[in-house]
Amino acid sequence: DQQVKQNSPSLSVQEGRISILNCDYTNSMFDYFLWYKKYPAEGPTFLISISSIKDKNEDGRFTVFLNKSAKHLSLHIVPSQPGDSAVYFCAAKKRLDSNYQLIWGAGTKLIIKP
Amino acid sequence: DAEITQSPRHKITETGRQVTLACHQTWNHNNMFWYRQDLGHGLRLIHYSYGVHDTNKGEVSDGYSVSRSNTEDLPLTLESAASSQTSVYFCASSARRVNTGELFFGEGSRLTVL
Repeated sequence: DQQVKQNSPSLSVQEGRISILNCDYTNSMFDYFLWYKKYPAEGPTFLISISSIKDKNEDGRFTVFLNKSAKHLSLHIVPSQPGDSAVYFCAAKKRLDSNYQLIWGAGTKLIIKP
Repeated sequence: DAEITQSPRHKITETGRQVTLACHQTWNHNNMFWYRQDLGHGLRLIHYSYGVHDTNKGEVSDGYSVSRSNTEDLPLTLESAASSQTSVYFCASSARRVNTGELFFGEGSRLTVL
């Protein structure tokens, strides 16, 4: 039962254009959604998050949109830069007793073409 | 600076051998996690700990064990390595009750079981 899905294994975008990465989820109990970025031979690093009570969060070139009725979130990168080439993971947080757990998508490999 | 380190970074072993992957964090975080990353699966949770002497099974715990004797360390042991356990392993940590669910990851340990 995949609760968090990233249906695009890879995405290729021209430098300077907008990159849009998508993520779908099935559980309405998630209270936060997070995006992580991963370069080869490194661990994932936190990029941006959004609370389930918001519909948009912006941080510089990165914006995450949340559509609760569609159970869909997207990460927009504008403008895309070569250093943005990486694997992007979507994760959803749910409470577990007094703590929490993250449920992860399979990742989308973003390739920025010069 | 606080950090999380994994060792060894690369390990080749034979089927049936016992292997231990080390994880050490200096964030003083209560929560520690072990994940494995395989193509098409994203990050899958193996074991996790919410504090000293606390350990819990994740979704892919068979064949793995952990122990938490102090705050800083969560070693992952493969009791009898199998070829299906060839993967990249990531350790992560987080503070208790962090609302956003942000995790800090190590750089990964690539394990090959021949």
